[in-house]
Amino acid sequence: DTAVSQTPKYLVTQMGNDKSIKCEQNLGHDTMYWYKQDSKKFLKIMFSYNNKELIINETVPNRFSPKSPDKAHLNLHINSLELGDSAVYFCASSQGIPVYFGPGTRLLVL
Amino acid sequence: AQRVTQPEKLLSVFKGAPVELKCNYSYSGSPELFWYVQYSRQRLQLLLRHISRESIKGFTADLNKGETSFHLKKPFAQEEDSAMYYCALSRSSGSARQLTFGSGTQLTVLP
Repeated sequence: DTAVSQTPKYLVTQMGNDKSIKCEQNLGHDTMYWYKQDSKKFLKIMFSYNNKELIINETVPNRFSPKSPDKAHLNLHINSLELGDSAVYFCASSQGIPVYFGPGTRLLVL
Repeated sequence: AQRVTQPEKLLSVFKGAPVELKCNYSYSGSPELFWYVQYSRQRLQLLLRHISRESIKGFTADLNKGETSFHLKKPFAQEEDSAMYYCALSRSSGSARQLTFGSGTQLTVLP
């Protein structure tokens, strides 16, 4: 009965590879997000979708491309991975307040 | 522009001692403020929101608009309170809620 789930939990990959992280929420929320938590534990919003429509697109390299096949899913695809992309990526969803977070995907780029 | 500042990166207190985690914000509109907690290697969880004026796990936080602060307090810290605490400010972006987080305070409660 997990509310916001992400896969995979851990992702270790080489520089230059392309990878995807999947997110699903079963809360019936209209809005979903991707946040990045860096090595210093700083959290920053990357994207937000509402009913499959991009609402927020912060200053993120265009190697990062979110995709929302339906309002319960928001996937994150990353092309040409770089060392600096190593971080924990959190998916989240909301219907107004509050915002509910997924368990995070720990990405390590070698 | 909105900004959330948590001046203490690390905070250690002894069990049973009072604890206060500081949060200051800057925002031109009417702020909606929250405290989120992240226990070791777990997801972020909502702890408090200022509009509720509630006490969760013994924690309280009062919005002080004059001082633009939303400090988190607990009179008697417990070891299980050890975690990363984030103050966050919310504003609407169309139909989405954009949360701006502070840099976080790692609280360690010593036995």
